[in-house]
Amino acid sequence: NAGVTQTPKFQVLKTGQSMTLQCAQDMNHEYMSWYRQDPGMGLRLIHYSVGAGITDQGEVPNGYNVSRSTTEDFPLRLLSAAPSQTSVYFCASTRRGRGSNTEAFFGQGTRLTVV
Amino acid sequence: AQSVAQPEDQVNVAEGNPLTVKCTYSVSGNPYLFWYVQYPNRGLQFLLKYITGDNLVKGSYGFEAEFNKSQTSFHLKKPSALVSDSALYFCAVHSGGGYQKVTFGTGTKLQVIP
Repeated sequence: NAGVTQTPKFQVLKTGQSMTLQCAQDMNHEYMSWYRQDPGMGLRLIHYSVGAGITDQGEVPNGYNVSRSTTEDFPLRLLSAAPSQTSVYFCASTRRGRGSNTEAFFGQGTRLTVV
Repeated sequence: AQSVAQPEDQVNVAEGNPLTVKCTYSVSGNPYLFWYVQYPNRGLQFLLKYITGDNLVKGSYGFEAEFNKSQTSFHLKKPSALVSDSALYFCAVHSGGGYQKVTFGTGTKLQVIP
């Protein structure tokens, strides 16, 4: 049982390049989310999904796209990388519980540098 | 709008001493409060949560947290700190009916000094 798997772990991009961060979970969780972690700002929600085929924007969605074609996978696409997107990205999945009472499981993160 | 505040960027404590990491929250309705821990170069791991019931919640690795509704606080505590407890700790509030909107605090770095 691998939990939440993110790839790659590290990535350097040039400004304007595009790329996809992969996220997969094997726990059959309904909810999946992408966060970015920046010093002094905690984790901020980029996009989330409540199930296959359903996605929505979080707090900082600009410059990112997502899709959810299967329950297991939730890739994050950077359309045209900018230095402001230098960050550590975390994918999380959560079982749909009663209300909001279930904990999130996180991947190990992707450290992205845009030069 | 919901919010979480962790007033201390860093907490230093000697090994064997009790530790407290502070968290206050603001949310309409009943709060679902969580603590997560992040070890270096790792993702966040769930420590404990308060949903309802007893105000003192026990979690992993000997940690506990006390929910105080009147002070809107959810401080993380441990009676005796270990060097291995050194990590980044995040308080979070979950809310929402269907999808749970999670708001994280900015994190507190705990340094346990041998």
